[in-house]
Amino acid sequence: DTGVSQNPRHKITKRGQNVTFRCDPISEHNRLYWYRQTLGQGPEFLTYFQNEAQLEKSRLLSDRFSAERPKGSFSTLEIQRTEQGDSAMYLCASSSAGELFFGEGSRLTVL
Amino acid sequence: QQQVKQSPQSLIVQKGGISIINCAYENTAFDYFPWYQQFPGKGPALLIAIRPDVSEKKEGRFTISFNKSAKQFSLHIMDSQPGDSATYFCAAQNSGGSNYKLTFGKGTLLTVNP
Repeated sequence: DTGVSQNPRHKITKRGQNVTFRCDPISEHNRLYWYRQTLGQGPEFLTYFQNEAQLEKSRLLSDRFSAERPKGSFSTLEIQRTEQGDSAMYLCASSSAGELFFGEGSRLTVL
Repeated sequence: QQQVKQSPQSLIVQKGGISIINCAYENTAFDYFPWYQQFPGKGPALLIAIRPDVSEKKEGRFTISFNKSAKQFSLHIMDSQPGDSATYFCAAQNSGGSNYKLTFGKGTLLTVNP
């Protein structure tokens, strides 16, 4: 499967714990995006990488969130000191230009 | 400020009927308008997209109609089938910008009854 891969698919954690999600984009895609989707809502933009450079961050990305894309390949999204409001589906997408291809998402539940 | 407004929130149609979902945008810099289909537990998948140099684009049973002056676009699903039951999102992009990020509507849950 050469699509966008996300792991883990599901994560249940207790409030205050740290979690990390990984995204492996389509190999030739230099652009990588993180979105958050809550129930009944459309995906909301969190951050964008071109190669290894993080070029844009949404105001939704509080200082508890950090994303990296070392060497311009896979990316990680870490959430520190999780809160119940962080419960959502975290979607990764990649692109070479124009069309965004989404992964199946990582669902976070914070108890 | 919601830049892309989508309606209706939910839609129920009978098999063989026409499903129509509408979107309106505010940012005149948007120049690429895709529709995504999402099944439960899956990520959004591109269905069809249009650029504002044309007023309509058709792919199989799916048609986008685009009205640049009204800043509106819509998705029409002809001969709707139960397998079309999913959530549909319109989106908009400024491809002249530096990041190609998409701004999504809130989605429409389509149910096609057999």
